Amino acid sequence: EAQVTQNPRYLITVTGKKLTVTCSQNMNHEYMSWYRQDPGLGLRQIYYSMNVEVTDKGDVPEGYKVSRKEKRNFPLILESPSPNQTSLYFCASRRTSGNTDTQYFGPGTRLTVL
Amino acid sequence: RKEVEQDPGPFNVPEGATVAFNCTYSNSASQSFFWYRQDCRKEPKLLMSVYSSGNEDGRFTAQLNRASQYISLLIRDSKLSDSATYLCVVNDNYGQNFVFGPGTRLSVLP
Repeated sequence: EAQVTQNPRYLITVTGKKLTVTCSQNMNHEYMSWYRQDPGLGLRQIYYSMNVEVTDKGDVPEGYKVSRKEKRNFPLILESPSPNQTSLYFCASRRTSGNTDTQYFGPGTRLTVL
Repeated sequence: RKEVEQDPGPFNVPEGATVAFNCTYSNSASQSFFWYRQDCRKEPKLLMSVYSSGNEDGRFTAQLNRASQYISLLIRDSKLSDSATYLCVVNDNYGQNFVFGPGTRLSVLP
């Protein structure tokens, strides 16, 4: 089954404790992206990657890091989480083919930073 | 000013009604446009892409007006299962950067 998986789905942590949210896709997509979703603000792009070893900042990259060492994985790293990073996070991979341009989202990771 | 703005909603409509969602975007260089649907506590899913000539998929019609920087989504004969939040999405930066609107929530009532 074609899918994007994220782990963990739920996480409660404390300020300053480094964490990683994993993202994996099995569709061989080159483009992957991370978003956060907050009430009233919609989804905002954190980082994206056009291919292996190619990453770029989205609209809200501060406080986050990413890596893309292999095509299927795109982990999101919070080196020193703060309460303002409490949010719902979505990973996505993107298929572009001819007239088709579709992002497939993972199920989301709900993060709470105390 | 937000880059992508949508009707604030929520929209509460009876089954069978026709409902229209509006979206405006600020970046005139935007490349492509989409409507996504998000069910409560779920991930967004592509509903349809929006083409300059307008496009239709069953009960759903999307239109784009580049001059006015305006996108619309029309849902005809609405069903209970159409209840969701509808997200307007614009693709900037030569197709690499996606900007989402805040969404408009629709509740279709029996």
